[in-house]
Amino acid sequence: NAGVTQTPKFQVLKTGQSMTLQCAQDMNHNSMYWYRQDPGMGLRLIYYSASEGTTDKGEVPNGYNVSRLNKREFSLRLESAAPSQTSVYFCASSEGVNQGYGSYNEQFFGPGTRLTVL
Amino acid sequence: GNSVTQMEGPVTLSEEAFLTINCTYTATGYPSLFWYVQYPGEGLQLLLKATKADDKGSNKGFEATYRKETTSFHLEKGSVQVSDSAVYFCALHINQGGKLIFGQGTELSVKP
Repeated sequence: NAGVTQTPKFQVLKTGQSMTLQCAQDMNHNSMYWYRQDPGMGLRLIYYSASEGTTDKGEVPNGYNVSRLNKREFSLRLESAAPSQTSVYFCASSEGVNQGYGSYNEQFFGPGTRLTVL
Repeated sequence: GNSVTQMEGPVTLSEEAFLTINCTYTATGYPSLFWYVQYPGEGLQLLLKATKADDKGSNKGFEATYRKETTSFHLEKGSVQVSDSAVYFCALHINQGGKLIFGQGTELSVKP
């Protein structure tokens, strides 16, 4: 069982180039997330998709777009990369977006994509 | 606003030493609290959780108690091993969808 997979694992871009980070999960989860991890700042949510066909902005969405291609796949696109987007990007999935006190569905994380923008 | 603050790392311990990683939070309402662990080169994994005040989460010898009066969720382990070397993240979940709010992470290095 692969869980959450991400491609590529490493990428180097020049300023202004575009690229798409791919994420897929095989756990039949409804919700998927994109985070970025920067030194000293933990993980910050970029975008999430509560269910197939929906996407919403997270804490740091500027400079990114997402597509929930189907239930399994959730891609993150950088249209014009900037050095400030140098980071490690993690995709995650969970059974569903929760409502109500005490409810929580564990998020499962992919191995990450290390992106450098020169 | 909602936030999580962890003690700064790196934390370096000898094998079998006692571990404490401090975590405090600010939140509206009644958050659930988590510790995630990230081993080198991997994604995050849920280590333990607590969903209400006074709950104790535990897993793999690690424990953390949800203290509402001190807004804390400190991670402890009585005897660390080299294999515990990783980055540990404290996080909270508030009842606004599935969004997690993470602390900055604390790197733990255990020497033999």
